[in-house]
Amino acid sequence: ELKVEQNPLFLSMQEGKNYTIYCNYSTTSDRLYWYRQDPGKSLESLFVLLSNGAVKQEGRLMASLDTKARLSTLHITAAVHDLSATYFCAVFTSGTYKYIFGTGTRLKVLA
Amino acid sequence: ETGVTQSPTHLIKTRGQQVTLRCSSQSGHNTVSWYQQALGQGPQFIFQYYREEENGRGNFPPRFSGLQFPNYSSELNVNALELDDSALYLCASSLEPGNQPQHFGDGTRLSIL
Repeated sequence: ELKVEQNPLFLSMQEGKNYTIYCNYSTTSDRLYWYRQDPGKSLESLFVLLSNGAVKQEGRLMASLDTKARLSTLHITAAVHDLSATYFCAVFTSGTYKYIFGTGTRLKVLA
Repeated sequence: ETGVTQSPTHLIKTRGQQVTLRCSSQSGHNTVSWYQQALGQGPQFIFQYYREEENGRGNFPPRFSGLQFPNYSSELNVNALELDDSALYLCASSLEPGNQPQHFGDGTRLSIL
């Protein structure tokens, strides 16, 4: 069974600090997505990573993909309060056309 | 550019009833996916429609069914509702399956009594 695991599940960090969220998955895939969800809201697409070694950056967030290690990371640089949200990674399986979401990482940035 | 819209926003049903949820995809998008999100959990993939055909399905029983129309809008139908079906149902559209970001609607909150 395909599994997508994120760690940590909860993250409380001070403003200005750096941290990395990890996303591990258990099957071959070269398509990985990161989403943000604010409390009571829907999901917002952050990054689409489509190949091994892909790296994308937007503001204080940078995502990377290592398909050989089946690992994606979401790195947060100099965190600000506005980044407080739940972050999900998701994998797309080309053979069966399924999207599998991770467990989510609830991030709280403290002022 | 109109985003993904879902209706209704909230719905209350009782066990055994049937429900239909609706989704209008973003302009130009031919792919629609449906998800179930329980409180505090990640979205669970129900199925995906591409150009009016179901082309991917998650681990949901057959009482979860769907349609996609020629204008690429979509419906999710759930028969014989159970208490565990209480969740937020999200619709997402994209330009094509797999290679493009999905744009999510605000969801339908379904409560089963």
